[in-house]
Amino acid sequence: QVQLVQSGAEVKKPGASVKVSCKASGYTFTSYGFSWVRQAPGQGLEWMGWIDAYGNRNYAQKFQARVTMTTDTSTGTTYMELRSLRSDDTAVYYCARNGYCSSVSCLFDYWGQGTLVTVSS
Amino acid sequence: EIVLTQSPGTLSLSPGERATLSCRASQSVSSSYLAWYQQKPGQAPRLLISGASSRATGIPDRFSGSGSGTDFTLTISRLEPEDLAVYYCQQYGSSPLTFGGGTKVEIK
Repeated sequence: QVQLVQSGAEVKKPGASVKVSCKASGYTFTSYGFSWVRQAPGQGLEWMGWIDAYGNRNYAQKFQARVTMTTDTSTGTTYMELRSLRSDDTAVYYCARNGYCSSVSCLFDYWGQGTLVTVSS
Repeated sequence: EIVLTQSPGTLSLSPGERATLSCRASQSVSSSYLAWYQQKPGQAPRLLISGASSRATGIPDRFSGSGSGTDFTLTISRLEPEDLAVYYCQQYGSSPLTFGGGTKVEIK
């Protein structure tokens, strides 16, 4: 069965960086891309960007300058690094597999369990 | 970008009742590229509906989606206690993809 397992919770100081991992299993890793979606405490879902199976990336404008998404096909793991952290980056960060895609965007058919990133001085 | 507005914000119903959730788009969603997700407390979202009306694998048939253009609906025909959750719509027909703000379903 498809599983996405994310790395554990992180506590960071303002200005620092965080790198969250997401290890996929149960399917052919290179057949699907990934997206990252975050959820601030008590808030809704916010898409951050995606990386496809070929390494092409599309970041939401809001995160363009601060985020990098990568994949390691040898381990079946995808990563999201967010730099220059602020207190309002405190959120649960989810990786999600890109399921069916239109010509420009995708829906998400499987999700990781989420990683809480807390930014506090 | 397409803004998705969900209503009502909260829906409080008894088991066995019918729940009707609305998702309205600020412009037409091309080819009905509209998905619905369920997020139970403390869990990750789960895909319920794709293409406005197609149930995802393993989703009970009490969940159904309908609509096109700018108006979409998720219906839960007979509420079960385990349907307590926040439900989100998402459009994937244009870039950037966007989510609605969610509807919380409470069980009386």
